Amino acid sequence: NAGVMQNPRHLVRRRGQEARLRCSPVKGHSHVYWYRQLPEEGLKFMVYLQKENIIDESGMPKERFSAEFPKEGPSILRIQQVVRGDSAAYFCASSPPTTGANVLTFGAGSRLTVL
Amino acid sequence: GENVEQHPSTLSVQEGDSAVIKCTYSDSASNYFPWYKQELGKRPQLIIDIRSNVGEKKDQRIAVTLNKTAKHFSLHITETQPEDSAVYFCAASIKAAGNKLTFGGGTRVLVKP
Repeated sequence: NAGVMQNPRHLVRRRGQEARLRCSPVKGHSHVYWYRQLPEEGLKFMVYLQKENIIDESGMPKERFSAEFPKEGPSILRIQQVVRGDSAAYFCASSPPTTGANVLTFGAGSRLTVL
Repeated sequence: GENVEQHPSTLSVQEGDSAVIKCTYSDSASNYFPWYKQELGKRPQLIIDIRSNVGEKKDQRIAVTLNKTAKHFSLHITETQPEDSAVYFCAASIKAAGNKLTFGGGTRVLVKP
């Protein structure tokens, strides 16, 4: 069991470019969550997805950010026209199909630096 | 939505002493309360969790207590060691919201040898 795999681990982008972060959940997990962690801060919820469905995107900025979890392949967090304030660690977590008090397993994170 | 407050934000203890971190939550429907440890540059890792039908849980040097009436829960680390130095996050989730966790702001714990 490889756990939650995130790539790239480090990504450098210039202002205005696009960033794509990928997350492969634990095998058998169908729930994916994205969290953002600014330097020296806590984990802020962004979005919760199941296969082909966005369940809760209440933490996603209204513009430039989008997420998907297709039927096949990893979940992708996409940030368009990045700005310096987007520099952060983006963590993906996954949990099993059943809801209710199940443990979230986190990936190692993708660290985005915007120059 | 759920709001989780965590105190203190930093905690310095002498090796061998105990450390206590406290969290409060706002939504009485929350039913699951995990604690995560995050070392510098690493992923958050679950160290202990408690569900709403339990008041206390212990795992070696770590214990968590839950007071549903007051809507607060605490992490207790006894006989602290230098390797306990890290940032600790409490979290809460509501069954109806799937497994979405709302995190506290974190506590940076430093154990001085």
